[in-house]
Amino acid sequence: RKEVEQDPGPFNVPEGATVAFNCTYSNSASQSFFWYRQDCRKEPKLLMSVYSSGNEDGRFTAQLNRASQYISLLIRDSKLSDSATYLCAASPGGGYNKLIFGAGTRLAVHP
Amino acid sequence: NAGVTQTPKFQVLKTGQSMTLQCAQDMNHNSMYWYRQDPGMGLRLIYYSASEGTTDKGEVPNGYNVSRLNKREFSLRLESAAPSQTSVYFCASSDGVGSPLHFGNGTRLTVT
Repeated sequence: RKEVEQDPGPFNVPEGATVAFNCTYSNSASQSFFWYRQDCRKEPKLLMSVYSSGNEDGRFTAQLNRASQYISLLIRDSKLSDSATYLCAASPGGGYNKLIFGAGTRLAVHP
Repeated sequence: NAGVTQTPKFQVLKTGQSMTLQCAQDMNHNSMYWYRQDPGMGLRLIYYSASEGTTDKGEVPNGYNVSRLNKREFSLRLESAAPSQTSVYFCASSDGVGSPLHFGNGTRLTVT
């Protein structure tokens, strides 16, 4: 089983829709979690960190469920410009200074 | 606002050739990383350097070597390139445990 798993999609949604992605992690010692956005043929860019209490940044909300070992990303009022691949990342815990990435979920927002 | 800079952006090698990918960051970060990205596989960690003077293997280190030249620079060397090393390589840096990674814009490597 991969340490961090995501539904690869693609998720095809109309503009204005709300879409949610989940990402599961296998290591219960994981402490830090992030969502990245990656456009085609570009580098991943940090979208948001994921905190235990959940956090929101405009139309984006990230949540952490430690009991079930998953993180989620909710995008409200989808825009065409949200079309991208969304990567989740988790630290392996144990003080290791690295991130393990999921394979990404592709989102296509259409008019 | 350079952030993380990688060179070269593109490279084509023949099987058996060697090359070094260069990476430099100007954010005074302690930690640096090399990942490769292949379709359907996501980002896989090759090597990382938690701090200047240390390097550790990641998930897929075979066929690669690294050098943490100083706090700013972290290079990745392919001694004898193989077609299986055809990939997009990303360098990244971070402030340390619990901090997000910041990526360079990648090197597209093709080995024929």
